[in-house]
Amino acid sequence: DSGVTQTPKHLITATGQRVTLRCSPRSGDLSVYWYQQSLDQGLQFLIQYYNGEERAKGNILERFSAQQFPDLHSELNLSSLELGDSALYFCASSYASGSTDTQYFGPGTRLTVL
Amino acid sequence: QKEVEQDPGPLSVPEGAIVSLNCTYSNSAFQYFMWYRQYSRKGPELLMYTYSSGNKEDGRFTAQVDKSSKYISLFIRDSQPSDSATYLCAMMATQGGSEKLVFGKGTKLTVNP
Repeated sequence: DSGVTQTPKHLITATGQRVTLRCSPRSGDLSVYWYQQSLDQGLQFLIQYYNGEERAKGNILERFSAQQFPDLHSELNLSSLELGDSALYFCASSYASGSTDTQYFGPGTRLTVL
Repeated sequence: QKEVEQDPGPLSVPEGAIVSLNCTYSNSAFQYFMWYRQYSRKGPELLMYTYSSGNKEDGRFTAQVDKSSKYISLFIRDSQPSDSATYLCAMMATQGGSEKLVFGKGTKLTVNP
């Protein structure tokens, strides 16, 4: 158990809908990272927050947005969902903000868009 | 050409075998090289990371980086059934003041008892 929690575990929804994924980092960690993992694209970095501020952006679509709250939990919002958004979404946390800091991954949220 | 290429396997070996997992990359700005292990239905966990060319050993695992060939490897000695997982390489570059982290697609390894 990494100490990172993600909810929900599974999410099934329809195209065009909007969903929110939630992540609670390990106690004491200030950075939260979001990743998307699909069979054809592999693990792709989406976005990172550090202590409430956006720190780095990866291959995140404009339909997706995220935020980190004062209690350091984070939410990833996915809107106008498409079939291709079906994937595993992972959250990871680390104490500091550098990518070389050990990131601890949560168990993921499996999103299925029908 | 993708920035990071990793043979997806699958790779199946008998217990006790030496396993070699590899990635190649095209971006010479990559400075940090990592290996993650991902068990089925779990998130990835960091196994090792290296900065410079050469070898780094941790127990049964050895990470090797050859920057001149843009090639990294992970060797697993005396492989165990518990090593059965997907192994992902990852590389990080600092460009224009921001960091870029790119993962390989992962190689699925099965170690048979």
